[in-house]
Amino acid sequence: EAQVTQNPRYLITVTGKKLTVTCSQNMNHEYMSWYRQDPGLGLRQIYYSMNVEVTDKGDVPEGYKVSRKEKRNFPLILESPSPNQTSLYFCASSPGGSGRGNEQFFGPGTRLTVL
Amino acid sequence: AQSVAQPEDQVNVAEGNPLTVKCTYSVSGNPYLFWYVQYPNRGLQFLLKYITGDNLVKGSYGFEAEFNKSQTSFHLKKPSALVSDSALYFCAVRDNTGGGNKLTFGTGTQLKVEL
Repeated sequence: EAQVTQNPRYLITVTGKKLTVTCSQNMNHEYMSWYRQDPGLGLRQIYYSMNVEVTDKGDVPEGYKVSRKEKRNFPLILESPSPNQTSLYFCASSPGGSGRGNEQFFGPGTRLTVL
Repeated sequence: AQSVAQPEDQVNVAEGNPLTVKCTYSVSGNPYLFWYVQYPNRGLQFLLKYITGDNLVKGSYGFEAEFNKSQTSFHLKKPSALVSDSALYFCAVRDNTGGGNKLTFGTGTQLKVEL
């Protein structure tokens, strides 16, 4: 089954404790992206990647890191989480690194709480 | 910078009546426009998109949207609403010219269809 998977689905952590949220897709998509969803703010793009070893900042990249060493994986790293990073996070992928007209496939989401 | 506005936080419709969820956008070049739907505790699902060509776009579950360049709008419509259409709807835009591959979402519109 074609899908985007994220782990963990739920995470409660404390301020300053480094964490990684994994994202994997099995559709051989070039483009991958991370978003955070907050009430009243919709989805905001954190980082995106057009292909392996090619990443770029979205609208809210502060406090986050990403890497794209393999085509299928695009982990989101919070080196020192803070309470304002409490949010619902979505990973997404789409075919074609420069295919701006392609729709995205979303993962199920990761609900992160930083205490 | 590109942006999307969804002016209504919530839209209430009676089952069987037509529904409209509004979206306006701003981009430097020409837009790629998308509608996604989010059901409770789920990721986003693609509904439809406008890339080029016919201004009326048909998508999944009987939804359609009309691209209006002069009004910079891309309203989502359905002739006859169902209770099962109740969900959170997001409009998104990507600039199809220039650099970057950011996808910008609106803040979402909660659609509630009542019997």
